[in-house]
Amino acid sequence: GENVGLHLPTLSVQEGDNSIINCAYSNSASDYFIWYKQESGKGPQFIIDIRSNMDKRQGQRVTVLLNKTVKHLSLQIAATQPGDSAVYFCAETGENAGNMLTFGGGTRLMVKP
Amino acid sequence: EPEVTQTPSHQVTQMGQEVILRCVPISNHLYFYWYRQILGQKVEFLVSFYNNEISEKSEIFDDQFSVERPDGSNFTLKIRSTKLEDSAMYFCASSASLADTQYFGPGTRLTVL
Repeated sequence: GENVGLHLPTLSVQEGDNSIINCAYSNSASDYFIWYKQESGKGPQFIIDIRSNMDKRQGQRVTVLLNKTVKHLSLQIAATQPGDSAVYFCAETGENAGNMLTFGGGTRLMVKP
Repeated sequence: EPEVTQTPSHQVTQMGQEVILRCVPISNHLYFYWYRQILGQKVEFLVSFYNNEISEKSEIFDDQFSVERPDGSNFTLKIRSTKLEDSAMYFCASSASLADTQYFGPGTRLTVL
């Protein structure tokens, strides 16, 4: 896939456990953050987003936490399933960036059945 | 559910040849983007397009690249004279507005020989 060779941090979890994937972003002016999931051979798939006026947002089985003080973003996946296995990217943007997304390096999530 | 589509899924070309990568954004979206992902690297922004003109472009998007919306549905990326280092996955994305989520297509794998 596209991320072969990329020295990705890898998180290995047991099916049914909760997963936490972390991301440090770079630009303190960013005000919109998105988590994408990328499976092998596919494009980035939107999971959840959060704006800088919030510090937590929940979706179905996923929660995103934003700590602007330390420029840190995390994605929590509850009851992880084998279908969650993929590379997860955080992306940031802001009004001053014209909606240009800056992607992080990604984390590979491996779910063991 | 509406989705971004891209053709072809894989394009092989000789160095120096022109290629055109095609995208059909989500139908009611107004902002269009191209990103690329070189094997083993992060997803990188190339260009954004709105109202029939380029809004933002990165340093990667040099004079060899151009974008066009030739009709009401297609959005294309042209590389005039391909180089070996243009080999990558190219992703098209679209969003309803500047502040909205960008949805990605499945990508075109470009291989320059």
